[in-house]
Amino acid sequence: GAGVSQSPSNKVTEKGKDVELRCDPISGHTALYWYRQSLGQGLEFLIYFQGNSAPDKSGLPSDRFSAERTGGSVSTLTIQRTQQEDSAVYLCASSSRGEGYGYTFGSGTRLTVV
Amino acid sequence: GENVEQHPSTLSVQEGDSAVIKCTYSDSASNYFPWYKQELGKRPQLIIDIRSNVGEKKDQRIAVTLNKTAKHFSLHITETQPEDSAVYFCAASRASGTYKYIFGTGTRLKVLA
Repeated sequence: GAGVSQSPSNKVTEKGKDVELRCDPISGHTALYWYRQSLGQGLEFLIYFQGNSAPDKSGLPSDRFSAERTGGSVSTLTIQRTQQEDSAVYLCASSSRGEGYGYTFGSGTRLTVV
Repeated sequence: GENVEQHPSTLSVQEGDSAVIKCTYSDSASNYFPWYKQELGKRPQLIIDIRSNVGEKKDQRIAVTLNKTAKHFSLHITETQPEDSAVYFCAASRASGTYKYIFGTGTRLKVLA
């Protein structure tokens, strides 16, 4: 596609429910990243996929968070038993090898846990 | 661990003046330093980047300087305009193409008309 697509754009869920956030990266981009941005805060790294390598999960805040990337393309971030502190904008980005390639971000999913 | 500190957290300047934002990184293996601009309610967008083999890079009114020895880098915006108002994030990474970025906490820049 022309850009990184994320869905849904907004999600309101009740505390304790599970949610799934989807990211469709730019076609041909081998790397995909998930970041979390709490209100007025910076970009917190969550997880990173590169090709067929094992993902770097070092930023996941707890075992309630997991992510997968199927077929080297679409990724799903799953949050189980959501808590109010999970409320944030979840940003996905993708990138490719080579000089001059920075991240391209999606427009994010705003998650509100009530 | 990997960390990027960014200062100041907020910055107000008069239109036409210059703005400088500074970042310090901890991972000595970092060799790529991008800067992102995020307008209210929008996604971050890359505005300029620099690699460790150069000390300075300029693109019109924006420039970035890097001091690898001291592990710090800065963003300079000259002749600021109201449309420069946004949150700016610095980041450090071990590679430009496919590696995680560690972001700073952001600087909210306000350009006063």
